[in-house]
Amino acid sequence: KNEVEQSPQNLTAQEGEFITINCSYSVGISALHWLQQHPGGGIVSLFMLSSGKKKHGRLIATINIQEKHSSLHITASHPRDSAVYICSGHSGGYQKVTFGIGTKLQVIP
Amino acid sequence: ETGVTQTPRHLVMGMTNKKSLKCEQHLGHNAMYWYKQSAKKPLELMFVYSLEERVENNSVPSRFSPECPNSSHLFLHLHTLQPEDSALYLCASSPGQAERDTQYFGPGTRLTVL
Repeated sequence: KNEVEQSPQNLTAQEGEFITINCSYSVGISALHWLQQHPGGGIVSLFMLSSGKKKHGRLIATINIQEKHSSLHITASHPRDSAVYICSGHSGGYQKVTFGIGTKLQVIP
Repeated sequence: ETGVTQTPRHLVMGMTNKKSLKCEQHLGHNAMYWYKQSAKKPLELMFVYSLEERVENNSVPSRFSPECPNSSHLFLHLHTLQPEDSALYLCASSPGQAERDTQYFGPGTRLTVL
């Protein structure tokens, strides 16, 4: 069992829908990252969270340290949001990192 | 443009070949990383370099040999690989090693071992 679990693993949505991707972790972490990977492989860092909530454009990320849970929300989804979203938990620098397997999102026009 | 480049983008090699993957960043970052991404598996951190010194080696087989000649360049030397080593190899850099630092990823090298 992976120490970082994501759900769902696959998600299909209609354009304009509100989307939520979940990340739960079973180890103590001091920071959590959300990454976006487009077809072809390139990865972009979206958020770093250690507490609370962050917002960037249509993307919102939250973390609940007590419940060991983070969510990534996408408002007014668009086909260009189609990608794999990966969360990673860090404890003590980048050396100690555990990745989720990713959530594959497809937004249909 | 992420500022991190990788070459080649695709590589096919036999099990007896020797090849090298190259990563280059001109972002002024001090830390560089190699990751392996296999199908249906989470990303795996292979090596971490900080200020050209290796600071992490996550039990990676010796057939993978990293080299960091300066803070802008990182290599992954490959020899006598196995078919299960076929994967996407990603390089990344960050200003420092702190987990709050944003990582910038290269586009990856798709490696196929025959």
